[in-house]
Amino acid sequence: AQSVTQLDSQVPVFEEAPVELRCNYSSSVSVYLFWYVQYPNQGLQLLLKYLSGSTLVKGINGFEAEFNKSQTSFHLRKPSVHISDTAEYFCAVSASEYGNKLVFGAGTILRVKS
Amino acid sequence: DTGVSQDPRHKITKRGQNVTFRCDPISEHNRLYWYRQTLGQGPEFLTYFQNEAQLEKSRLLSNRFSAERPKGSFSTLEIQRTEQGDSAMYLCASPGTSGINTGELFFGEGSRLTVL
Repeated sequence: AQSVTQLDSQVPVFEEAPVELRCNYSSSVSVYLFWYVQYPNQGLQLLLKYLSGSTLVKGINGFEAEFNKSQTSFHLRKPSVHISDTAEYFCAVSASEYGNKLVFGAGTILRVKS
Repeated sequence: DTGVSQDPRHKITKRGQNVTFRCDPISEHNRLYWYRQTLGQGPEFLTYFQNEAQLEKSRLLSNRFSAERPKGSFSTLEIQRTEQGDSAMYLCASPGTSGINTGELFFGEGSRLTVL
């Protein structure tokens, strides 16, 4: 089975500061990894994905994430956040051996303060 | 806009009533997924369809829940005899470009259910 742990339930940060949202996964097989963002009362929007190749992936809105197989991590980073980045962020994993169903973490609320 | 439409966006009902949600997926994709998201949690898989066939159901989907996808187009999710524990956001999703092989999904805006 697969699981995802998002280590921080909330991350407060000041505007223009860097941020890292942590994600660790557990799986005995090769995985695909995703980050989604959810704004209040909206559905989930795909931020970025790791399928194969370069371990550093870039997404929308200036976010990037690095796949670290030895650490089983896929942390999300942004060098300078904006107020508009305030939202909930979900890390997700899938694997072909498990029917490619997405398994999500519990989410991290990013609060950007001015 | 992901191209996945859900209706209604919000539903408030009394305990014991039946509710139905509709999803219109991205037209060219033959797979359709339903997820449930409760407060403070990430989405959890409920079920998925390949065309009109329901291929997998989660143990979360009790016998009060039924999902259909007639003709392999839109899908409905019905909850009978609602309970307060059914209060959640119900999300519908279609695979992305590589989604069938990787799990990448595009989600609709969701249908939020509140059971009083």
